[in-house]
Amino acid sequence: DIQMTQSPSSLSASVGDRVIVTCRASQSISNYLNWYQQKPGKVPKLLIYAASSLQSGVPSRFSGSGSGTDFTLTISSLQPEDFATYYCQQSYSTHTFGQGTKLEIK
Amino acid sequence: EVQLLESGGGLVQPGGSLRLSCAASGFTFSTYAMSWVRQAPGKGLEWVSAISGSGGSAYYADSVKGRFTISRDNSKNTLYLQINSLRAEDTAVYYCAKRGASGKGGCFDYWGQGTLVTVSS
Repeated sequence: DIQMTQSPSSLSASVGDRVIVTCRASQSISNYLNWYQQKPGKVPKLLIYAASSLQSGVPSRFSGSGSGTDFTLTISSLQPEDFATYYCQQSYSTHTFGQGTKLEIK
Repeated sequence: EVQLLESGGGLVQPGGSLRLSCAASGFTFSTYAMSWVRQAPGKGLEWVSAISGSGGSAYYADSVKGRFTISRDNSKNTLYLQINSLRAEDTAVYYCAKRGASGKGGCFDYWGQGTLVTVSS
């Protein structure tokens, strides 16, 4: 089974900061990597699919990159509504989620 | 508008069974693979099971293999998850999720609101 490891597990940042979350796969997954945002008590929301494609309606401050085993989610300028938990997910071989990265206000 | 509406959750004793349902609308249901994803209280997301659009292929996480059965009725636009031999660690919100179109990297582009399964005596 493919394991997904996110780092950091939690992160404190301020409005306007640039934030990077990383995700590593235990084997190559090409670009079959997706990112989701989840706010407390809410349903996960797709942000990025196929490693770098922005889902319709998602602000352009969100971007994704990477291929193979190493991937990043970047938020270029944090907004108050971005404080949430972020998950990566591989879909190369069935599906696996990373453990999540909780983004908190500094 | 795509809508996914889960039902069937509740309180069940260890060793018991439940059948979850997910009613889909707003898209051609039989065209898309579907999955169940769960989230234990205060924990992260865990993929549980997936089924192809035709229903001919099913996949399971190791943690549920042999106890959970995924199925679908394309005439009713409904996805199911039969859960047997329930354990305390199966306590979670269970979401159904629609797989994105071809070329979207196998993402889940729509999610239901979830149904809570609580396993306790």
